[in-house]
Amino acid sequence: KAGVTQTPRYLIKTRGQQVTLSCSPISGHRSVSWYQQTPGQGLQFLFEYFSETQRNKGNFPGRFSGRQFSNSRSEMNVSTLELGDSALYLCASSSEGGFSYEQYFGPGTRLTVT
Amino acid sequence: AQSVAQPEDQVNVAEGNPLTVKCTYSVSGNPYLFWYVQYPNRGLQFLLKYITGDNLVKGSYGFEAEFNKSQTSFHLKKPSALVSDSALYFCAVREKSFQKLVFGTGTRLLVSP
Repeated sequence: KAGVTQTPRYLIKTRGQQVTLSCSPISGHRSVSWYQQTPGQGLQFLFEYFSETQRNKGNFPGRFSGRQFSNSRSEMNVSTLELGDSALYLCASSSEGGFSYEQYFGPGTRLTVT
Repeated sequence: AQSVAQPEDQVNVAEGNPLTVKCTYSVSGNPYLFWYVQYPNRGLQFLLKYITGDNLVKGSYGFEAEFNKSQTSFHLKKPSALVSDSALYFCAVREKSFQKLVFGTGTRLLVSP
């Protein structure tokens, strides 16, 4: 099976702009989670979608949003970008949403905000 | 709130020697514990998990981890380190009833030839 894919891999944006990142999960996986990785804060959970519904949300401002489509592909959007949003954004998928199942991560999208 | 701690920022080991990367956890109830590895400019790769059952869990690439409930630890081990094992290792705990993984700060493993 193909792994989790994320597009684009690299992105440079200017403060105040908005950005949309895309994630395609492993075939058959219905749960998609998003994480932000920064040197200062480490890996932090953004949100999780299962069957097009957001089930869990981390402690991020409302500028961060996401959605999931019927084919389980997911997008996350960040509006009004700030310098502190520069990070590696990781998407992970898990089969069936069961909590004992491991999450498989994509390669990430590296976002740089200037 | 559930949390994990990785007390060592970096672990240095010579190739062929055994390695241990430490992780302790704090959870309410039974823990779901995971180890991931990250290579430069890559995402996280799943190594192994503890859900229930045997305290010694075997995973990918010859890694194993020992779950110790009394010491609330889940240390990652490998009998013989390879230079290619050099990477950033993360311990994580899943919050009960949520898909959210709570990660430790990571431990950089450096295996010298």
